[in-house]
Amino acid sequence: GQNIDQPTEMTATEGAIVQINCTYQTSGFNGLFWYQQHAGEAPTFLSYNVLDGLEEKGRFSSFLSRSKGYSYLLLKELQMKDSASYLCAVHQAGTALIFGKGTTLSVSS
Amino acid sequence: EPEVTQTPSHQVTQMGQEVILRCVPISNHLYFYWYRQILGQKVEFLVSFYNNEISEKSEIFDDQFSVERPDGSNFTLKIRSTKLEDSAMYFCASSEGAGYSTEAFFGQGTRLTVV
Repeated sequence: GQNIDQPTEMTATEGAIVQINCTYQTSGFNGLFWYQQHAGEAPTFLSYNVLDGLEEKGRFSSFLSRSKGYSYLLLKELQMKDSASYLCAVHQAGTALIFGKGTTLSVSS
Repeated sequence: EPEVTQTPSHQVTQMGQEVILRCVPISNHLYFYWYRQILGQKVEFLVSFYNNEISEKSEIFDDQFSVERPDGSNFTLKIRSTKLEDSAMYFCASSEGAGYSTEAFFGQGTRLTVV
């Protein structure tokens, strides 16, 4: 079976730091992706992890622990435009991405 | 910057009708995908396509669905006899490689409404 869990909603204020967690149970694992999706738009790629540890890319960082089936996306210096859904997605095997339900982040001033 | 383009952006169709959703993947990409997202729900994998054949498909992708690459640029999803529950946003995506470490680029989607 496969299960990817994320919080449904989170709120934060401009300039703050927020961490969005993702836990997964999948029958295979070939990497974990984070995508950003603004309402009514396409998902856009943020990060990819396949080895344990932290990947940093500007204001965004992503962490993976394969033994714990756990990842997080860290957003620093939040801006209003960061209000969006953040999708955790796992490559089990083959070519398909299996998505979680997404976390809707609301950033207020 | 290269992008995946989808047409139409919106499609309204009557139940039982056939629809074709069109996509132009990024030109040097080799893997093509269709995903769908029912309003308020998660993005779901439908099918992947490589070397002119389906490489993987989900349980959702039943006999009423088909994909085709009719020429060197287009990639289409056909739904033969639409049902109300087919109403969703359909995203086309493409990637350079098999996806293990390569990101999939998504198009802006086609919003399909079945009435």
